[in-house]
Amino acid sequence: SQKIEQNSEALNIQEGKTATLTCNYTNYSPAYLQWYRQDPGRGPVFLLLIRENEKEKRKERLKVTFDTTLKQSLFHITASQPADSATYLCALALLTGANNLFFGTGTRLTVIP
Amino acid sequence: NAGVTQTPKFQVLKTGQSMTLQCAQDMNHNSMYWYRQDPGMGLRLIYYSASEGTTDKGEVPNGYNVSRLNKREFSLRLESAAPSQTSVYFCASQSRKAILGNTEAFFGQGTRLTVV
Repeated sequence: SQKIEQNSEALNIQEGKTATLTCNYTNYSPAYLQWYRQDPGRGPVFLLLIRENEKEKRKERLKVTFDTTLKQSLFHITASQPADSATYLCALALLTGANNLFFGTGTRLTVIP
Repeated sequence: NAGVTQTPKFQVLKTGQSMTLQCAQDMNHNSMYWYRQDPGMGLRLIYYSASEGTTDKGEVPNGYNVSRLNKREFSLRLESAAPSQTSVYFCASQSRKAILGNTEAFFGQGTRLTVV
């Protein structure tokens, strides 16, 4: 069956350190992998997407990698800040089919001052 | 731009009551979605609409109906609410562009529904 797993439900990290979140998938062939941020009581907000032929993408303090052989994406936040505390969702985007976006369950990140 | 607007933000229903959740987007997107989000379950797709005039079932459609009224609006109806439908509901829209295009989804703020 198809599955998208994010490494843990919750991750605590000290301010200034690098947070690394993992997204593993099985039985999908995504064209893109996307990451979203969700704050309590709000809808998810898009952060980054990476295409299947890209190994790495950066945006300010965020870095995403995508390994289609391992079927894994890593999401890094460098120099983490308390304001980075949120739930982070990965989503697999397929090119075919009308319903082409499939979400993981999310990892709740807490950055401790 | 308002983006994706959902109403209401909060709702309490009694078992057996009906209600319609409204969603509108102003980004001229073709695709629209309704998800529910429950603790530990992530976002699960209820129904989606790839274009005006078409709707399809997602992962958890039972107990729900949808209408794609026009390109902007996509509503979700609970005909006879059950406690198992207590959840947070999100509407989303997405532009389906060509292979090299941007396919990010835009979400509304959510509707927190409690069925007692």
